[in-house]
Amino acid sequence: EVQLEESGGGLVKPGGSLRLSCAASGFTFSSYGMNWVRQAPGKGLEWVSSISTSASFLYYADSVKGRFTISRDNAKNSLYLQMNSLRAEDTAVYYCARDSGQYCGGDCPGDYWGQGTLVTVSS
Amino acid sequence: DIVLTQSPGTLSLSPGEGATLSCRASQSVGSSYLAWYQQKPGQAPRLLIYGASSRATGIPDRFSGSGSGTDFTLTISRLEPEDFAVYYCQQYGNSPPWTFGQGTRVEIK
Repeated sequence: EVQLEESGGGLVKPGGSLRLSCAASGFTFSSYGMNWVRQAPGKGLEWVSSISTSASFLYYADSVKGRFTISRDNAKNSLYLQMNSLRAEDTAVYYCARDSGQYCGGDCPGDYWGQGTLVTVSS
Repeated sequence: DIVLTQSPGTLSLSPGEGATLSCRASQSVGSSYLAWYQQKPGQAPRLLIYGASSRATGIPDRFSGSGSGTDFTLTISRLEPEDFAVYYCQQYGNSPPWTFGQGTRVEIK
């Protein structure tokens, strides 16, 4: 059974940092591109970042470029999001999501999603 | 960047009725790389439709997708109680890799 479990969320002050993790199981993690999507309270879905299978290709939304870094450890079946210089507008539930096919190269939607981890940026 | 605009914002319907949700793109979505998701309160999104018209695994056949280019539609033939939720369209395969519409809420009338 495919499972994705996010962790690392919490309350952080503006300007602070946080590292999110996504533990994957039930599939060959190294064969799938992965993504981070966030959802501010009461708002819609916003794509944040994507990473290819071998981390050769990294993509970021303009709203987080230069502040967030996506990475993965295929040996540990884990996806990460390092978030620096956090702002109030980064407050959201952060989901990790798997590409729906192997080696999609960005040409796939997300078929499995974690339950999300809440990040709150407030003084 | 491709902007996706969903309409209507809210759809008020009764169980058993049909629902038609629209998603319009600001430019053509190549290869019909358009997906639909369902999201219920407190839950993660669930993939319903990909490639504009293909149902994801385990999705009931009352859900169907259609369209190409810039205009796409999600149709729910007969609403079941569990179908009342928020629905998002998404484009993929472009730059940026993923873009979502703002969502359509389907609520019980």
